[in-house]
Amino acid sequence: QVQLVQSGSEMKKPGASVKVSCKTSGYTFLSYGISWLRQAPGQGLEWVGWIGAYNGDSNSPQKFQGRVIMTIETSTNTAYMEMRNLRSDDTAVYYCARRVIVLPTALKVVDYFDYWGQGTLVTVSS
Amino acid sequence: DIQMTQSPSSLSASVGDRVTITCQASQDINNYLNWYQHKPGKAPKLLIYDASNLATGVPSRFSGSGSGTDFTLTISSLQTEDIATYYCQQYPNFPITFGQGTRLDIK
Repeated sequence: QVQLVQSGSEMKKPGASVKVSCKTSGYTFLSYGISWLRQAPGQGLEWVGWIGAYNGDSNSPQKFQGRVIMTIETSTNTAYMEMRNLRSDDTAVYYCARRVIVLPTALKVVDYFDYWGQGTLVTVSS
Repeated sequence: DIQMTQSPSSLSASVGDRVTITCQASQDINNYLNWYQHKPGKAPKLLIYDASNLATGVPSRFSGSGSGTDFTLTISSLQTEDIATYYCQQYPNFPITFGQGTRLDIK
């Protein structure tokens, strides 16, 4: 069965970096992308970015550009998300999720997150 | 960025009730909308994709409808295990954005 297993909780000081891993199994890793999302305390879900496992192409919202680096390791079917220059408002549970993109016709796209990791709590505090 | 606005923000209902949650996009997103269920301490779960398609394994009491800017998630007969926060999400406009969530509990 499809599984995404994330690394454990992290506690960091402001200005530090954190690297979260997402080890996948149960499917053809290269056929899907991995998205990263987060939920800050008392807040909703926020999309952090996406990386294509096939070619390593990635993108993320402007607010994270330059601070978030997403990578993949095809030998272990693992995705990584590194966030630099952490701030207190980066405190959140970070999730990885398998991203499905299907083009049923030339004019239509279907795009969703179907399997998720268990979440990794990242706490940023001095 | 496309803003997604859900209503209500919270909702109490009784077991067996029909529950409706709405989601409005700040611009036309065609049918490009998904719904997720999120229980505390668990990973979010895909319920509906492409506005009205039930994800694998999701009970048939859940349904989605709408297109353009206005969308609806309906639970036909509320069960205790449906207590959760529900999020809508638009794609593929960059960046992907979510509604603020609707917290559902039992009256």
